[in-house]
Amino acid sequence: GAGVSQTPSNKVTEKGKYVELRCDPISGHTALYWYRQSLGQGPEFLIYFQGTGAADDSGLPNDRFFAVRPEGSVSTLKIQRTERGDSAVYLCASSIGQGLPLHFGNGTRLTVT
Amino acid sequence: KQEVTQIPAALSVPEGENLVLNCSFTDSAIYNLQWFRQDPGKGLTSLLLIQSSQREQTSGRLNASLDKSSGRSTLYIAASQPGDSATYLCAVLTGTASKLTFGTGTRLQVTL
Repeated sequence: GAGVSQTPSNKVTEKGKYVELRCDPISGHTALYWYRQSLGQGPEFLIYFQGTGAADDSGLPNDRFFAVRPEGSVSTLKIQRTERGDSAVYLCASSIGQGLPLHFGNGTRLTVT
Repeated sequence: KQEVTQIPAALSVPEGENLVLNCSFTDSAIYNLQWFRQDPGKGLTSLLLIQSSQREQTSGRLNASLDKSSGRSTLYIAASQPGDSATYLCAVLTGTASKLTFGTGTRLQVTL
């Protein structure tokens, strides 16, 4: 079956612009996570959805970051007024349930120039 | 705040050697610990998950152990192969069981 799909794979944008990153989880996975990975670092937690609701958004760095999952499947991570420090690989993962193995997508590499 | 440390940061071994990767964490109140593999430019692949009540898990040539009280885990790779070359990440699930805290990884190269 298909794994977690993330689009686009690469995104280059100018400082100050708005971007949207999409995640299509494995069908039937109710838990969805967004992580951010900087070069040479492990992934850092951003937000966790259980179904349609954000159960834990404590990792979002500031109010320029927002994520939605309106129908409990596809999720979009939205970043307003992008800054060069936002450049990183944004990873999405899904799971059948909380505390169970996560399945990661290949990520979106965001570069802010 | 949970912190996860992985040692060594990088490791190069000849094919066929057995090797051990180390992971330590500061808060022993974990739900589980997971080991992942990451290939360059790719996402993470889950290798093994050890629940907090378990001591070890095995899958093929991989064996992971967990000593929760001392805050340590090891990943043992037997008879290493060039295809094992990748970055190996350790992560622990804590708090509200919604977030994984990752280490910075061990970059492994297995040479012919």
